[in-house]
Amino acid sequence: DTAVSQTPKYLVTQMGNDKSIKCEQNLGHDTMYWYKQDSKKFLKIMFSYNNKELIINETVPNRFSPKSPDKAHLNLHINSLELGDSAVYFCASSQGDINTEAFFGQGTRLTVV
Amino acid sequence: AQSVAQPEDQVNVAEGNPLTVKCTYSVSGNPYLFWYVQYPNRGLQFLLKYITGDNLVKGSYGFEAEFNKSQTSFHLKKPSALVSDSALYFCAVRRGNTGFQKLVFGTGTRLLVSP
Repeated sequence: DTAVSQTPKYLVTQMGNDKSIKCEQNLGHDTMYWYKQDSKKFLKIMFSYNNKELIINETVPNRFSPKSPDKAHLNLHINSLELGDSAVYFCASSQGDINTEAFFGQGTRLTVV
Repeated sequence: AQSVAQPEDQVNVAEGNPLTVKCTYSVSGNPYLFWYVQYPNRGLQFLLKYITGDNLVKGSYGFEAEFNKSQTSFHLKKPSALVSDSALYFCAVRRGNTGFQKLVFGTGTRLLVSP
């Protein structure tokens, strides 16, 4: 019974395409996140939503647009994909955002060719 | 802005020996500190956290970490390493007591435990 699930696990696509990554959590958490892990394993937050409201929006190109239809889902849509977007994208969730740990999905490996 | 430094890219230790993975942080105000582990092709798994209270924090799989305010460190330790502990370890920090704050990760330390 997966707590935080992402689909797809692997995504290979051509430059210029538009793609989406979906994330769902069944933990009843009210806060969800998207992180990007680059080829050097460096993790950086992209977005955070609390109760469907965007609360953290790092310096991310406008081509990236998160959408949270409800508290249990946070999707990431990427327009006009570029080679530099190739990375592993992790979704995570937590209850509140202060002192509770985050639970991570297994990641989506995006390869742009 | 908060930041985390993990000075070692890789730590090598023999099975049965104690291990330490180093982490230092920089944050204004009270820090909330976390350790996560990442196995190959997997997401991050939470190990332990320091919020307040006892400086020695115990976590999953026999790991513990010691919060040292004067040295701004939060080193991860285990008395006896297992081969199965081999993985990528991340230290993370966020500012406490100030509402929603982002969790900032270090660059990770690869732990290799040899049989």
